[in-house]
Amino acid sequence: AQRVTQPEKLLSVFKGAPVELKCNYSYSGSPELFWYVQYSRQRLQLLLRHISRESIKGFTADLNKGETSFHLKKPFAQEEDSAMYYCALTSRNFNKFYFGSGTKLNVKP
Amino acid sequence: NAGVTQTPKFRILKIGQSMTLQCTQDMNHNYMYWYRQDPGMGLKLIYYSVGAGITDKGEVPNGYNVSRSTTEDFPLRLELAAPSQTSVYFCASSGHVSDQPQHFGDGTRLSIL
Repeated sequence: AQRVTQPEKLLSVFKGAPVELKCNYSYSGSPELFWYVQYSRQRLQLLLRHISRESIKGFTADLNKGETSFHLKKPFAQEEDSAMYYCALTSRNFNKFYFGSGTKLNVKP
Repeated sequence: NAGVTQTPKFRILKIGQSMTLQCTQDMNHNYMYWYRQDPGMGLKLIYYSVGAGITDKGEVPNGYNVSRSTTEDFPLRLELAAPSQTSVYFCASSGHVSDQPQHFGDGTRLSIL
């Protein structure tokens, strides 16, 4: 079964500290992985996808097929990064997205 | 650009009532999805559609029905509302292949009392 696990419900860090939001997945094929973010009072929106290999707002995520992980990282957290973050999985072979339960990131001043 | 529009934003229903949650998108996307999000939980897929006239069940379809008569619209119907359907409902759409990023609506907060 396809699954996405985000083990931390809440992650609190101080401004300027590094942050890593964990995401592990189970899927037998070639997955497409995404990170979505929901800022307070805003829509859920795409943050980045692994195939793009880009850095968005200082965040990066590397797909590790051996560990089946897609952790989201940022070297220096900012207060405006406080939000809910969701890891999601899909593939070209099936039409469904699977979302993790989300991690709330709280960046303290 | 409106993107994905959901109506209503909030609704309170009595047990046994029925209602339709509306979702429309103006991006000419083929794929549309309905999710529910319970407190502290992730999004769970209710139904999805890969194009007009085609719908399929997701993880939690019981108690819901959908239709897709046009590319733009993907309404979700609750026939006999139950307290277990109290949740926030999100509609999303994505492009012409299934692995494209999804665009979400603002959500509908539904309470069944």
